[in-house]
Amino acid sequence: AQTVTQSQPEMSVQEAETVTLSCTYDTSESDYYLFWYKQPPSRQMILVIRQEAYKQQNATENRFSVNFQKAAKSFSLKISDSQLGDAAMYFCAYRSSGGSNYKLTFGKGTLLTVNP
Amino acid sequence: DTGVSQDPRHKITKRGQNVTFRCDPISEHNRLYWYRQTLGQGPEFLTYFQNEAQLEKSRLLSDRFSAERPKGSFSTLEIQRTEQGDSAMYLCASSLVFGGHGEKLFFGSGTQLSVL
Repeated sequence: AQTVTQSQPEMSVQEAETVTLSCTYDTSESDYYLFWYKQPPSRQMILVIRQEAYKQQNATENRFSVNFQKAAKSFSLKISDSQLGDAAMYFCAYRSSGGSNYKLTFGKGTLLTVNP
Repeated sequence: DTGVSQDPRHKITKRGQNVTFRCDPISEHNRLYWYRQTLGQGPEFLTYFQNEAQLEKSRLLSDRFSAERPKGSFSTLEIQRTEQGDSAMYLCASSLVFGGHGEKLFFGSGTQLSVL
């Protein structure tokens, strides 16, 4: 079974600075998808960024980018120019492209605080 | 399009009572998912529907849990004879699946269940 580990329960960053959230995963599959979701106090999970494992190029979405290291099974999220609205719980998630492709497996999350 | 809607937002019940939650997905979405999130954890997959067919339900936590999606529109999740360990947030998500790729999940804001 796949597992997702987020080793940082909490992180903090100054407004306008850059922060990196870590995620590692364990899988025997070669093709899969990785995601970062944001969960603000409103509780709604919002997709931040997505990476297909077969793509070598790291995904970027405006101020958000990932460092995907397939051999190391590492998938970190970098937030540049942090804003107060970025404060939230961030979850890393894995989805198979094979038989279990209907479900996301989430890590325990990292609580990000943005200091003004 | 108002997104995925869940009702109620909060539910407090006494142990042994039955509860039912409702999820209204985005109208054209053909897949609907239920997840459970306990304090300090990421969401955990429970079950999902493709249109009105429930394609995976082995992750439902016990036979006290059941879900339906009549006519492939809204879905209900019922918990019978609630226990204190059922206290959690129950999240619904929907997506439009085509060709097995490109699926993006949209989550609701969840129903927070407290069993006294």
